Amino acid sequence: ETGVTQTPRHLVMGMTNKKSLKCEQHLGHNAMYWYKQSAKKPLELMFVYSLEERVENNSVPSRFSPECPNSSHLFLHLHTLQPEDSALYLCASSQGEGLLHEQYFGPGTRLTVT
Amino acid sequence: SQKIEQNSEALNIQEGKTATLTCNYTNYSPAYLQWYRQDPGRGPVFLLLIRENEKEKRKERLKVTFDTTLKQSLFHITASQPADSATYLCALGGQAGTALIFGKGTTLSVSS
Repeated sequence: ETGVTQTPRHLVMGMTNKKSLKCEQHLGHNAMYWYKQSAKKPLELMFVYSLEERVENNSVPSRFSPECPNSSHLFLHLHTLQPEDSALYLCASSQGEGLLHEQYFGPGTRLTVT
Repeated sequence: SQKIEQNSEALNIQEGKTATLTCNYTNYSPAYLQWYRQDPGRGPVFLLLIRENEKEKRKERLKVTFDTTLKQSLFHITASQPADSATYLCALGGQAGTALIFGKGTTLSVSS
């Protein structure tokens, strides 16, 4: 788990706030992912970056904006969120994009939107 | 649409018994399947990967089977221990796509 770190671990924000989630991987991987995990629901893929380029965006609302400045760092910028966006946000990385490569997850950021 | 079902939300067994978790899928032809373990407040941890042309994979006390005809994977933990208590997720991966599709998970509780 220490291979992928996420900060902050917990975040409470109002609907009008702007905040950012940060993910860093120390594994030398070249693909990074953002997932959303809500109670009683499966993990939902939000964004995929491979070699610092976005390769997949699963119809995520524009109030979520990802940024991947290099292969080790991934950000998720949040603005004007809704209460239903409250969830655990997980970052993951893999060596290679998707196919046959296990993903290494960070501990997640527990987000509460009030 | 693609659908993954893990047989139950919760499974309770006694220590020493074999736990069997099921992952069924429809409207999909995965090239491989992965199993992850997730503890409360933590991200999932990769356990095993099995390809479509493999029937069975083992790792220590873990065994995974993959039946593409039944569209089903079984995940077994033999000689279960209380430390095995966690949520187990199955995830499918396709030939052409990059995204894993996850099931909701089964929460296993092993009592001593």
